[in-house]
Amino acid sequence: GAVVSQHPSRVICKSGTSVKIECRSLDFQATTMFWYRQFPKQSLMLMATSNEGSKATYEQGVEKDKFLINHASLTLSTLTVTSAHPEDSSFYICSAGRTDRGYEQYFGPGTRLTVT
Amino acid sequence: AQKVTQAQTEISVVEKEDVTLDCVYETRDTTYYLFWYKQPPSGELVFLIRRNSFDEQNEISGRYSWNFQKSTSSFNFTITASQVVDSAVYFCALSEYLSGANNLFFGTGTRLTVIP
Repeated sequence: GAVVSQHPSRVICKSGTSVKIECRSLDFQATTMFWYRQFPKQSLMLMATSNEGSKATYEQGVEKDKFLINHASLTLSTLTVTSAHPEDSSFYICSAGRTDRGYEQYFGPGTRLTVT
Repeated sequence: AQKVTQAQTEISVVEKEDVTLDCVYETRDTTYYLFWYKQPPSGELVFLIRRNSFDEQNEISGRYSWNFQKSTSSFNFTITASQVVDSAVYFCALSEYLSGANNLFFGTGTRLTVIP
């Protein structure tokens, strides 16, 4: 149990376009989902916390208008990178928190975004 | 402010050797949780262990063991009889109750290479 999926796994887009990444909890409900960003050979940095039915909470330095997060249901959160630039190229990872298991987070497989 | 330090950036060992990955943390919270995750080359984070601040018992799971010492604010991870499949980046992480226990702060990771 506790499977989290992400789609797509890889995406290449041109500068100026928008890309949507989906994060789904497949076998449990997640009131809270998290979006992380990981640059090559670096650690994961929390971008935002997504709560079902409410606005996401962004970490300091993360542009809300650039990284749009929607958590419309208990099993789905989406991250849209708007007007993508090459510096947005990164590995984006989502996680879902299981409230029935204390504070465990389950991570998706990640999405590698390349902006050309 | 919370902080997780993994001083070892990269470690190489020969197969069957034991290896210990260090993790030192800082927190002002009295209630917190410590985690270890494994990130193989595929990129997906694999949950290994969660330990809360009130439980200092060491834990063993197969070839893995963890040594939690509050006196030194350390939560070290030992792999005995290492195998090539253990090659990955290992992250130590901390979440604090007062910061919203679901917020994970990751260390910079230790890249372990097990040489056959």
